[in-house]
Amino acid sequence: EAGVAQSPRYKIIEKRQSVAFWCNPISGHATLYWYQQILGQGPKLLIQFQNNGVVDDSQLPKDRFSAERLKGVDSTLKIQPAKLEDSAVYLCASSLSGGRGGNTIYFGEGSWLTVV
Amino acid sequence: AQRVTQPEKLLSVFKGAPVELKCNYSYSGSPELFWYVQYSRQRLQLLLRHISRESIKGFTADLNKGETSFHLKKPFAQEEDSAMYYCALSGNNDMRFGAGTRLTVKP
Repeated sequence: EAGVAQSPRYKIIEKRQSVAFWCNPISGHATLYWYQQILGQGPKLLIQFQNNGVVDDSQLPKDRFSAERLKGVDSTLKIQPAKLEDSAVYLCASSLSGGRGGNTIYFGEGSWLTVV
Repeated sequence: AQRVTQPEKLLSVFKGAPVELKCNYSYSGSPELFWYVQYSRQRLQLLLRHISRESIKGFTADLNKGETSFHLKKPFAQEEDSAMYYCALSGNNDMRFGAGTRLTVKP
C-alpha cells in the first residue's frame, strides 16, 4: 500500500515570497490533515478535511495560509506571504474517517520549509 | 479546551531499565488517546491506542481518567527504542499532539 506522498521535500524561500505544498493521501482515505511542526514542538493541526469539506481550520492563520482539497483527494497548502516564523516541517496525514474510533492516522515524510 | 502535556522533553535510561514517558491531558468529553513514535529519519507512526489495550514492542499505556493521564511504559528498555514519542488526543474527530519526549536508551 502506497503511503502519504508529499512534495517538495525541502524548500528555501525568502520572507514575503510564496510557497505551495502538495499532498496525495492514501487511496480511499476520506480525512486529510495538514500539521505544522516547528523545531522542538509537537505537530500542530492547521486544517482538517473530510472529503473536500473543511472540518477544522481554527488554527490556520488565514491571513497568509490557505488550503484546498477540490476533488476530495489531493490537497495543496499555500503560504503567501511567508514570514520567518513559518519555518517548520509541514506534515500531511490521512485516515479512513477522522481520528476517533481507533482510525489510524498515517503521516507523510513532511515538507521542510526554511524562510530566510 | 483540548490539551496534551508531556512534561519531559528529554528522557535518558540505560538498556534494560524500566522507562515511563508521561502524558497528561485535558478534555471535557470522552477522549481517545494515542502514542505516536518517530524513529530517526522515519515518518511519524502510530505506536498504540488506548482503546485497543494492546502491547506493542513491549510498550503499554493505561488511560487513567481520574488522573487524566496516559503514561507510556516499558519494563526493559532497548537501544532501538530511542526515538521521539508523542502523546495525542482525539476529541472532536481531530487529533492534537503533545510537544514530545525524546527517549535515549544508552548501552
